[in-house]
Amino acid sequence: IAGITQAPTSQILAAGRRMTLRCTQDMRHNAMYWYRQDLGLGLRLIHYSNTAGTTGKGEVPDGYSVSRANTDDFPLTLASAVPSQTSVYFCASSESQGSPDTQYFGPGTRLTVL
Amino acid sequence: GQNIDQPTEMTATEGAIVQINCTYQTSGFNGLFWYQQHAGEAPTFLSYNVLDGLEEKGRFSSFLSRSKGYSYLLLKELQMKDSASYLCAVSDSNYQLIWGAGTKLIIKP
Repeated sequence: IAGITQAPTSQILAAGRRMTLRCTQDMRHNAMYWYRQDLGLGLRLIHYSNTAGTTGKGEVPDGYSVSRANTDDFPLTLASAVPSQTSVYFCASSESQGSPDTQYFGPGTRLTVL
Repeated sequence: GQNIDQPTEMTATEGAIVQINCTYQTSGFNGLFWYQQHAGEAPTFLSYNVLDGLEEKGRFSSFLSRSKGYSYLLLKELQMKDSASYLCAVSDSNYQLIWGAGTKLIIKP
């Protein structure tokens, strides 16, 4: 059982380029999340999805978009990357969003925007 | 606003006990989580408290006081592998997790 996988592991990207970070889970969890983690700051929620076909905005959604076509996949897209989006990105999932379920995290993607 | 406070860094000795504190102010409360994160890795779940009191799980215990907006994580018989960051997170009224910045724990021999 893989749990949650993310790709790529790391990426260096030129400003203005489009980039999609991939996230796949095999736990059949309903809820999925994208966070960014920056030094000295807590994890900040970018977007979330309570179930396939629905998405919502988190604390820092600007410049990012997501889709949830099926239960397993939850890609995060940066339409036109900027240096302030340099961060470590974590995808997470939980059984549901409407209760305080434990969130399980993928290994992360380290993104550098130059 | 919503706020989670925890110390930035703590140092302890192998074999000793350390207590990591977390105070919170959030819009609603549906429980408090502690996660462990080793450098360069993903956070992993340690504990969940929703009622006041102490939850014990092996060498790790977590305490909650809802009236004081306060929790602590207690680590006993410290081992070198416990060197990591410890993240406090509160589930708010919308069941979103609000995260503290984490406490980096350094264990010395």
